[in-house]
Amino acid sequence: DTEVTQTPKHLVMGMTNKKSLKCEQHMGHRAMYWYKQKAKKPPELMFVYSYEKLSINESVPSRFSPECPNSSLLNLHLHALQPEDSALYLCASSQAFSGPYGYTFGSGTRLTVV
Amino acid sequence: SQQGEEDPQALSIQEGENATMNCSYKTSINNLQWYRQNSGRGLVHLILIRSNEREKHSGRLRVTLDTSKKSSSLLITASRAADTASYFCATDTTGNKLTFGGGTRVLVKP
Repeated sequence: DTEVTQTPKHLVMGMTNKKSLKCEQHMGHRAMYWYKQKAKKPPELMFVYSYEKLSINESVPSRFSPECPNSSLLNLHLHALQPEDSALYLCASSQAFSGPYGYTFGSGTRLTVV
Repeated sequence: SQQGEEDPQALSIQEGENATMNCSYKTSINNLQWYRQNSGRGLVHLILIRSNEREKHSGRLRVTLDTSKKSSSLLITASRAADTASYFCATDTTGNKLTFGGGTRVLVKP
């Protein structure tokens, strides 16, 4: 299995809702990432997990809460989001946290906050 | 913040022609990577070049790296309609995360 699977593919949520994005990989990769991408912009790093521990938080607002329950699964919990948080959320994984490794990306969750 | 700047921002070519895009960056890197993104979906890793390498090939792709000029180029030879996508360079400066450039939108006309 050489894929990163993200669910759901599309999500519409109200500003008072709580929802979660899910990301799964079975490649034995030990580093996992969340990126946010606005239209016609490059992906921006949000969080990095290495060996199931949070290693990097790029000063992301607390309304985004990441979780790594095991080495194959990464969640992003969303609460009280704003319309400007609407974006494509991309999950990625790599063999390890440090080293010359390419990332494998999922196809993303397109989030709309209304 | 963006580490890489890509040039041009958009490129339109005929099928069979070559496409070249450039990436400039600001700080020293461990490696530089190129990714392709179709229609705003997931990114696909194309090639990785380390800071001590000058050129790499993969199929119809050729990547060069000039660390003295802090720049890289991606050449796609004999382009196909399926190469229509956005192409991003990404730099690894700390050994543990990638920062993406602004991207080049490539349109290959049949």
